[in-house]
Amino acid sequence: DGGITQSPKYLFRKEGQNVTLSCEQNLNHDAMYWYRQDPGQGLRLIYYSQIVNDFQKGDIAEGYSVSREKKESFPLTVTSAQKNPTAFYLCASTWRVANTEAFFGQGTRLTVV
Amino acid sequence: AQKVTQAQTEISVVEKEDVTLDCVYETRDTTYYLFWYKQPPSGELVFLIRRNSFDEQNEISGRYSWNFQKSTSSFNFTITASQVVDSAVYFCALKDSGAGSYQLTFGKGTKLSVIP
Repeated sequence: DGGITQSPKYLFRKEGQNVTLSCEQNLNHDAMYWYRQDPGQGLRLIYYSQIVNDFQKGDIAEGYSVSREKKESFPLTVTSAQKNPTAFYLCASTWRVANTEAFFGQGTRLTVV
Repeated sequence: AQKVTQAQTEISVVEKEDVTLDCVYETRDTTYYLFWYKQPPSGELVFLIRRNSFDEQNEISGRYSWNFQKSTSSFNFTITASQVVDSAVYFCALKDSGAGSYQLTFGKGTKLSVIP
C-alpha cells in the first residue's frame, strides 16, 4: 500500500544531542514537508522540498536541518541549537501541483529528557 | 504572506446536532487552493475536502458540506447530524504559489467534541 512512514513513533532526546526523524514515502510525490505541532499552535512549517536536492526554510527552521537526496526520503534533524524541541512532528508529501492534497505520516513524538 | 485563521478553539455539540467550523484566510495570490483536514486522536491528518479559488460552487458530500465565499475570504465546513466518531481536531489549510513554490499553510485547528 502507498503511504508515508515516519519513524520512530516516540523518541527521547537528551539535552545537547542531535536526533534524526525519518520520513519515507512510496507515493512518487515530488514535494515533501515537515511540520511541528504544539498544543494550541496548529501546524507550523519547518522545511519543505519541491524536488530532490532542493529545500526551503519554513516559518520555524531555526535549530533544524533537512536533506533530500532521494525522492522518497526527507529526514529531519533536530539539532542541539533547537532550544525547545519537545513536540509532535508530522511529515507530509504531495504532488508538485497546486490542487492536490497532502498525505501525512502518523507522526513522531519527540521528548527531551 | 499566507495566513489561515480558525477563531474557534474548541466546540462541543450533542450527537446529531449540526456543527459549522469557521475558516478565514489571507493570500495575495489570485489562484489558490483550500483544504480541510481531520486529525483523530491517533495523530495522522486525514484529507476531507478541497476547493479551488476559481470555483465558488458549494457542495455537499455525505454529511459534509462547505461554504466558500471569496468576497469574505471564508471557507467554512459543516458536519450534519454529528456523530461521536467526528470528535477530532479539524484544520483548515491554504496552498498557493506566492513564493514560487507550493507552501501549505494551516490554521491552529478547532477541537470538536461530540457528546453522546
